[in-house]
Order: sequence, then structure tokens, then C-alpha cells
Amino acid sequence: QSALTQPPSASGSPGQSVTISCTGTSSDVGGYKYVSWYQQHPGKAPRLMIYEVSKRPSGVPERFSGSKSGNTASLTVSGLQAEDEADYYCSSYAGNSNFVFGTGTKVTVL
Amino acid sequence: QVQLVQSGAEVKKPGASVKVSCKASGYTFTSYAIHWVRQAPGQGLEWMGWINDGNRNTKYSQKFQGRVTITWDTSATTAYMELSSLRSEDTALYYCARSTGSTYDYWGQGTLVTVSS
Repeated sequence: QSALTQPPSASGSPGQSVTISCTGTSSDVGGYKYVSWYQQHPGKAPRLMIYEVSKRPSGVPERFSGSKSGNTASLTVSGLQAEDEADYYCSSYAGNSNFVFGTGTKVTVL
Repeated sequence: QVQLVQSGAEVKKPGASVKVSCKASGYTFTSYAIHWVRQAPGQGLEWMGWINDGNRNTKYSQKFQGRVTITWDTSATTAYMELSSLRSEDTALYYCARSTGSTYDYWGQGTLVTVSS
């Protein structure tokens, strides 16, 4: 099972939007509505930000949103804030009780 | 409140085994699955495997098949991950995570395993 492909880095100024892609195959991202996104600050455990492609858990700001088209899922952070600077990982169900993470994207707030 | 508390850091020699524990509290332990995820220094997250809440079946990543064993003790509300035949590349932070379906909603604090001769 190969890792899902994410861009190594993304950046934006405060108030701007940034979108991170997560590309897989029809056997994982494209085949199921089970893509989730995690935020990880340095030295901390990951935090769930989006699940089942576009659902936001309680406590996650509305500026975080998710979508999917074909084999690519996306996370958009609107109205960037300094505290959004972190690493972001996507994850997908990959069939046959297997799961896979993305390669990770470092988001920098300029 | 939901908590997953993992055991402390370990230093192991190549070829040895390590067993990491994950003590759950604040929820009905057997109603959720537990996954194990690792992160090598400066690297991304890597899924290792999980133990299913319903039937206690396990599934392991092909990469770790034959070297990893995930178990749980319901009376102790604790999950375990044992990794054998350790090599230097296994040096990483190991996380347990509670899951509902395909979503990891709560994570442990991580356990650093260092493999060094």
C-alpha cells in the first residue's frame, strides 16, 4: 500500500486561503467516502480536523473544510491564522480493512 | 473525558522486541477500535495496524506483517502493540489512536522507541 501523495509544503499570508491536495487511487481515496485530515503541531500528537471527506468534528473552526473529486481529496483552510501553521496529513480507508496516510504537508503562515 | 495514555520511552537493541501499551479511559473500551501509527524522526505518519472493536480481529499493514502483534486486555482497558526483530529503522514515535470507522478521533501521547546497539 503506497502512501497518498501530498505536496511537501504550502503557504499563505494571514487571512488568505490555502488548499492542500491528497492524491491516491481508485482503491483508496477514489473508492470510499472515508478520507480524514489531521493537523500536527511540532512535538504534539495529531488532531482530527475533517472526517468522511467533509465533516468537521465539534471544536474545529469552520474555516477548515474538505472535499473530494475522483482520486484526489482536498483540505482548504480559509482565513489563515498563525496557529494554523502545522503539518497536515490525509488518511483514507484502502479496502480490506487497510488504511493509509498521506505523505504530509507543512503549512507556513507568512 | 476520553484519554489514551501510553507507556514510557524504550531503548532496545537490534533484534529485540518491544511492547507498547495504551491505557484507555473515559469511554466504553470495547465499543471502539484501536489503531497503531508510527512516525520516524522528521518523517510522516505510517499506519501499522488495528484491532477491531466488534470481533477483536486484527489487521496489519503488509509492511509489518509477521513482525507486529496487536492485542488488548478488556479488563484492563488497555491495548498493546508488540514489534519484534527490531532494527534501527524502527526508531520512531509510536501512537495509539481510537477509531470510529476510518476516523482517528483520539490519540495517545506517543511512545518513543529507540533501537540502538
